[in-house]
Amino acid sequence: GNSVTQMEGPVTLSEEAFLTINCTYTATGYPSLFWYVQYPGEGLQLLLKATKADDKGSNKGFEATYRKETTSFHLEKGSVQVSDSAVYFCALSDQGSSNTGKLIFGQGTTLQVKP
Amino acid sequence: KAGVTQTPRYLIKTRGQQVTLSCSPISGHRSVSWYQQTPGQGLQFLFEYFSETQRNKGNFPGRFSGRQFSNSRSEMNVSTLELGDSALYLCASSLYSGYGETQYFGPGTRLLVL
Repeated sequence: GNSVTQMEGPVTLSEEAFLTINCTYTATGYPSLFWYVQYPGEGLQLLLKATKADDKGSNKGFEATYRKETTSFHLEKGSVQVSDSAVYFCALSDQGSSNTGKLIFGQGTTLQVKP
Repeated sequence: KAGVTQTPRYLIKTRGQQVTLSCSPISGHRSVSWYQQTPGQGLQFLFEYFSETQRNKGNFPGRFSGRQFSNSRSEMNVSTLELGDSALYLCASSLYSGYGETQYFGPGTRLLVL
């Protein structure tokens, strides 16, 4: 079945450090891939998306490239800030037989950025 | 545009009771999906509605049900509440139903079952 695996957290970084959060997926078709972020006490916010192989999604300094050959969609940011502290979720939407918008999420990775 | 709104934001119920949660999608969005978020199971898909029809359902017992109205607003109902139903329930809307559609989430309803 379809699944998403994220690196376990928490990830603790100092401000201005480089961030990578690994995400790999298993899918039967050609999924669309997403990164969502959840701040404490809030819902999920879309961070970026990519819909086909080699697409690069980017937003607010975050980037992720859809790598079909390695079934990966790793999230990166060159210089993190304290305000980036949150939980990050990788998700996929697969064609499947039902062809609906059902999202399958990874377990989430907590990022803590220290001043 | 206003985002996805969910009411109520917080709810406390006791075992055996039932609860109804409400979701208003972004204006113009016709698809609404519901997810349950718990520390142990993470984010799990409950169901999706499009044009008042349930298009997909996750692996949850029949105590979990939902519906969508002609204005795209949606409700979900949980009957005979159990302690394990304590969770954050998230609603998401998208323009259409289909893979690749971007889903926009509301702030969630936090349900505590005592």
